[in-house]
Amino acid sequence: DVKVTQSSRYLVKRTGEKVFLECVQDMDHENMFWYRQDPGLGLRLIYFSYDVKMKEKGDIPEGYSVSREKKERFSLILESASTNQTSMYLCASSDRFGYTFGSGTRLTVV
Amino acid sequence: GESVGLHLPTLSVQEGDNSIINCAYSNSASDYFIWYKQESGKGPQFIIDIRSNMDKRQGQRVTVLLNKTVKHLSLQIAATQPGDSAVYFCAEKGGSQGNLIFGKGTKLSVKP
Repeated sequence: DVKVTQSSRYLVKRTGEKVFLECVQDMDHENMFWYRQDPGLGLRLIYFSYDVKMKEKGDIPEGYSVSREKKERFSLILESASTNQTSMYLCASSDRFGYTFGSGTRLTVV
Repeated sequence: GESVGLHLPTLSVQEGDNSIINCAYSNSASDYFIWYKQESGKGPQFIIDIRSNMDKRQGQRVTVLLNKTVKHLSLQIAATQPGDSAVYFCAEKGGSQGNLIFGKGTKLSVKP
């Protein structure tokens, strides 16, 4: 089974901090995604990557950047955390069709 | 199932009854659809999928129905159990780069 592992389940950061969210998948998938999930808004795509060192903006990239130096690892970076970035962050990897999600990181920015 | 504003549609059913969760999708060119289940504190998990050349697909206790004419997808859960309580998302493969587009979800609550 594909496993997608997010390094932290819960994080509390201060406004203005640089925050790194890490995601690792173990099935050699080329595609990886970062979403944020907010009540009533569903899953919104932040960034995705179809290959190493490749990245594409999703629907809400503002305030975020990503890094994909290795195939198995996709990092989401909050350059200067703000309170409106308090959310559940979900990483996913995929083959041609289905996505497999990590358990999520609940980030609170205070 | 699509939500408006901050309120998630909720379906409340009695244990043992059948549940039907609905979803309207947006892109008539979408050719692949998936249902995900998300339990509290966990990431979404794959339940069942269906391609656009099919109208119906059955799994274990779950059935997905696809009506392409009205762009409607439904998930039927037979003999609903307390462990089925979760938020259910539909997703369509039809984004600009073939990404999945997710619905906002429906919360299923099962009463014992």
